[in-house]
Parts: sequence; C-alpha cells; structure tokens
Amino acid sequence: SQQGEEDPQALSIQEGENATMNCSYKTSINNLQWYRQNSGRGLVHLILIRSNEREKHSGRLRVTLDTSKKSSSLLITASRAADTASYFCATRLGAQKLVFGQGTRLTINP
Amino acid sequence: GAGVSQSPRYKVTKRGQDVTLRCDPISSHATLYWYQQALGQGPEFLTYFNYEAQPDKSGLPSDRFSAERPEGSISTLTIQRTEQRDSAMYRCASSPQDTQETQYFGPGTRLLVL
Repeated sequence: SQQGEEDPQALSIQEGENATMNCSYKTSINNLQWYRQNSGRGLVHLILIRSNEREKHSGRLRVTLDTSKKSSSLLITASRAADTASYFCATRLGAQKLVFGQGTRLTINP
Repeated sequence: GAGVSQSPRYKVTKRGQDVTLRCDPISSHATLYWYQQALGQGPEFLTYFNYEAQPDKSGLPSDRFSAERPEGSISTLTIQRTEQRDSAMYRCASSPQDTQETQYFGPGTRLLVL
C-alpha cells in the first residue's frame, strides 16, 4: 500500500509555463521528499521539507507543506523540456523506508 | 563507485525460474534498500540492510523473495519460482547511514516473467 497520492496523475504544459503537482499523505511524518524519475533512469532526489517547515526553495523548485491538511505541493517554474519526467512524493515514517506516492507524469511540450 | 549500479538492467525469464538481481551501492554507504516498482506506480519498499544486518524485510511479498548482503557492500535479491506478477522494475538505493534521509537510487532492473 502507498502512503501518498499525487494529483494530477498526468500533466501536460507548454515550455516556459509553471507546473504544480500536489501530494496528500495519510499519517504523521518526519519529512516529505520529492523525487524525479526520467524515462529509463533511476529516481533522483529533488528536495526535502521537514515537518516543521512550511516552504522551501531550490532553484526553480518550490515546495510547500501543510501538515494540518497532510498535503504538499511541488511547483516547477519556467518549465523546460528536460523537466519531462514522473515526479513522486515520498514520506519517511520514522523507520528507514521511504513510502512513495503513485506519481505525476509531467510532459513539457516545446 | 560513483553511483549505485544494478545488474542486469533487463531480465526476461520464464515462469518458475529463479532470478538473482544485483546491486552495487555507493562505496562506503552503510545502508542499502530494495524497492519494487510496478508499471505506472511508485516504488514500494521490500527490505533494507545496515551493513550486513537486515533489520526490516517486512515488504518482501512472499517467502519466494530473499535478499542478502553478506559482506556489507554488494547485495543480491533473489526471486525463486518466479510468477508473472513478479514482473516489475526492481530498484536499489543506498545512503550513508540509516539515519540519512536522502536515498540514492540505481537505474533499476526491469524483470519480465513470461
């Protein structure tokens, strides 16, 4: 079973536009992470936000966390073709394992 | 090594055969994880190691699945008597310690059971 659910399942936008993906989870967390998966490649860690943080930035990425709603969002600004990938949120529940959502498939059209 | 490597990258086998997948973590990383990822889904935890110890194997779907890390570095995941439902991407990840929050993933092994 999976902890998180991403929304939307698929997103297609034009290059240069902003992309927003949402993640909801079920239980209390220590932190929430976002990973990217390109076709045929491994998962790459993008950003981590702790349970006592509300917003975090890294380059063109902006992550928010609302623990009262058990939700997070990932915003990618000024999207590029290379951003085409699947994006997963993952939570760490105090144990060592990561629990992933089902992912959002993002397509950036030229 | 420079990153996590896995072999083979692709494996096609017939139902009932045994398969062994290999993971070579980032050198000096104490912790190694195995995940199973079905098509269109996120990865699901199988098991993890701290060096050669295996504190948690709660995610292994059945006793046909087993993993080893005898010398605390390279790990193998073995699936005995494979079934079609075992077809998936198998991903390995490592981290410096089990308290480290970020995991570094390998490219995965895509297994197809015919």
